[in-house]
Amino acid sequence: DAGITQSPRHKVTETGTPVTLRCHQTENHRYMYWYRQDPGHGLRLIHYSYGVKDTDKGEVSDGYSVSRSKTEDFLLTLESATSSQTSVYFCAITRTSSHADTQYFGPGTRLTVL
Amino acid sequence: AQKVTQAQTEISVVEKEDVTLDCVYETRDTTYYLFWYKQPPSGELVFLIRRNSFDEQNEISGRYSWNFQKSTSSLNFTITASQVVDSAVYFCALSDPDSNYQLIWGAGTKLIIKP
Repeated sequence: DAGITQSPRHKVTETGTPVTLRCHQTENHRYMYWYRQDPGHGLRLIHYSYGVKDTDKGEVSDGYSVSRSKTEDFLLTLESATSSQTSVYFCAITRTSSHADTQYFGPGTRLTVL
Repeated sequence: AQKVTQAQTEISVVEKEDVTLDCVYETRDTTYYLFWYKQPPSGELVFLIRRNSFDEQNEISGRYSWNFQKSTSSLNFTITASQVVDSAVYFCALSDPDSNYQLIWGAGTKLIIKP
């Protein structure tokens, strides 16, 4: 158990509305990640963070923004949700300050955009 | 470019059979890391193993074993005496300096163990 929680766990929203997903960790890890998982695909990296206020884009960052104002919270925002953003979103951490370390995942958030 | 291929989309076996899941990777780097994760029907992602490119020893953990072959760029995963609880999607992933150690994921293999 990597001490990661995600909220909400399930959300249904409408196209055009803003949505914020929260990842919370209790073990003071510096590196945090947001992924999305779609049927038939492995995970795809959206954004990641090296620490407070230090974030960078991943492979599929368009339409997403992130913020990290505290070590324990990494927020993912969809400014104006679209149906193509219907997906399962996973947050992850590494236990050391290294991308090469193992990533441990939260339980996921299932987002449906109607 | 880096790539991870899990050619077996779905495998179905009867309980107690042995089953091997294949993972083939591509990278230009000599230093890299390979991972296997399990995603059971409940949806969480469970870490199974991490191997680095300098350690070609095979690894065994209970009924699970991993065969690392650098010559064929593969890290195959075998479950011995499979059980229904092994039913899940299994993902292989690669991280290397070229990708800034971001994980490159295979598409996953869905394993169905029938009683």
